[in-house]
Amino acid sequence: GAVVSQHPSRVICKSGTSVKIECRSLDFQATTMFWYRQFPKQSLMLMATSNEGSKATYEQGVEKDKFLINHASLTLSTLTVTSAHPEDSSFYICSARDVRDNYGYTFGSGTRLTVV
Amino acid sequence: KQEVTQIPAALSVPEGENLVLNCSFTDSAIYNLQWFRQDPGKGLTSLLLIQSSQREQTSGRLNASLDKSSGRSTLYIAASQPGDSATYLCAVPLMDSSYKLIFGSGTRLLVRP
Repeated sequence: GAVVSQHPSRVICKSGTSVKIECRSLDFQATTMFWYRQFPKQSLMLMATSNEGSKATYEQGVEKDKFLINHASLTLSTLTVTSAHPEDSSFYICSARDVRDNYGYTFGSGTRLTVV
Repeated sequence: KQEVTQIPAALSVPEGENLVLNCSFTDSAIYNLQWFRQDPGKGLTSLLLIQSSQREQTSGRLNASLDKSSGRSTLYIAASQPGDSATYLCAVPLMDSSYKLIFGSGTRLLVRP
């Protein structure tokens, strides 16, 4: 089946620094990837849709200058949390839509970000 | 507007029981419906994907059914095991060019040894 690799799985950074999270589709091409945020015991919240070769589409309330998304190739999307603050600490998950798999969605394993 | 609802929100059963998780959606015009499980601190694992033209899908002890006309899907877990303990989510993609997934709020399952 389709595999989406997400790295790092955990990251601790200092306030004010930037952190990059990578999401790769290993065995298929993903023109569209999605980035979610999840708070403890809550459901996933869609942050943005990443489109290969074009600008990402952000959900209402998500700061595009703070959460930079780049989808430069058909297999890689990155999320950069800029000038991180403790309130950015969360669990971030990416997913990709696999057109080979009857349009099913595959998720990465998630990244636990802690800003200190 | 598509809305997805899951009941129950939480379920605790003894090991070995057969159980049913429910998912309902308001707009019956769907491409497909997907069931996922999420373990604490982990990403989502796809369990079953049912196309709109299908009635059910099976994988091992899991069986998912789909009734588009009534806007319902059920996930049946046979002979539950403690390892089945997780949060189960159903989701449908929006029928537009965004391809966004609409999730239910999930069912937290605990299977007691």
